[in-house]
Amino acid sequence: KNQVEQSPQSLIILEGKNCTLQCNYTVSPFSNLRWYKQDTGRGPVSLTIMTFSENTKSNGRYTATLDADTKQSSLHITASQLSDSASYICVVSPNAGNNRKLIWGLGTSLAVNP
Amino acid sequence: SAVISQKPSRDICQRGTSLTIQCQVDSQVTMMFWYRQQPGQSLTLIATANQGSEATYESGFVIDKFPISRPNLTFSTLTVSNMSPEDSSIYLCSALQAQRNTEAFFGQGTRLTVV
Repeated sequence: KNQVEQSPQSLIILEGKNCTLQCNYTVSPFSNLRWYKQDTGRGPVSLTIMTFSENTKSNGRYTATLDADTKQSSLHITASQLSDSASYICVVSPNAGNNRKLIWGLGTSLAVNP
Repeated sequence: SAVISQKPSRDICQRGTSLTIQCQVDSQVTMMFWYRQQPGQSLTLIATANQGSEATYESGFVIDKFPISRPNLTFSTLTVSNMSPEDSSIYLCSALQAQRNTEAFFGQGTRLTVV
């Protein structure tokens, strides 16, 4: 069964600190892995998209890594800001032709406190 | 990047009534989807909206309850029919191109409360 599991479920950090969120998946075949940020009451916004051949990708203070062999990904947030408080969702796209149904994780809820 | 406008942004409805949610994309996209996000949960795909034909529904979702239209490449509607309190949720429209590795864009969501 295609699944995406994220940890931790929730996380509280102080402003300025770094943190790393984890994602494990059992999706096959695999096309790409995405990290989304979802602010409360808003739709998800894409942070990174990584294909099988990419090991790391950065978007500002966000750096995602991918190990396709172990089927693990991480999202590292550097020098956190209050505005980073949100849910971070790991999403995997199976390689299924024109079928673009995405497999969604449950997300990690991050709270950045002053 | 595509911009998706979704309306209404929120509504409070009486049980037994129906609500139609509209989704407008500012550029032509190949695929459009409707998701539901219940409180504290991640997104669950309701259906893929197909242009000019019936939507493709996921397990647990049926056309009578969630009729969907997609008359062209930039517009779709989702109706939540005969609502009950269990339908209270956020409903999200999403769009992307069929090519690989393209970003999926989302509307801001419709927060529905059924009383």
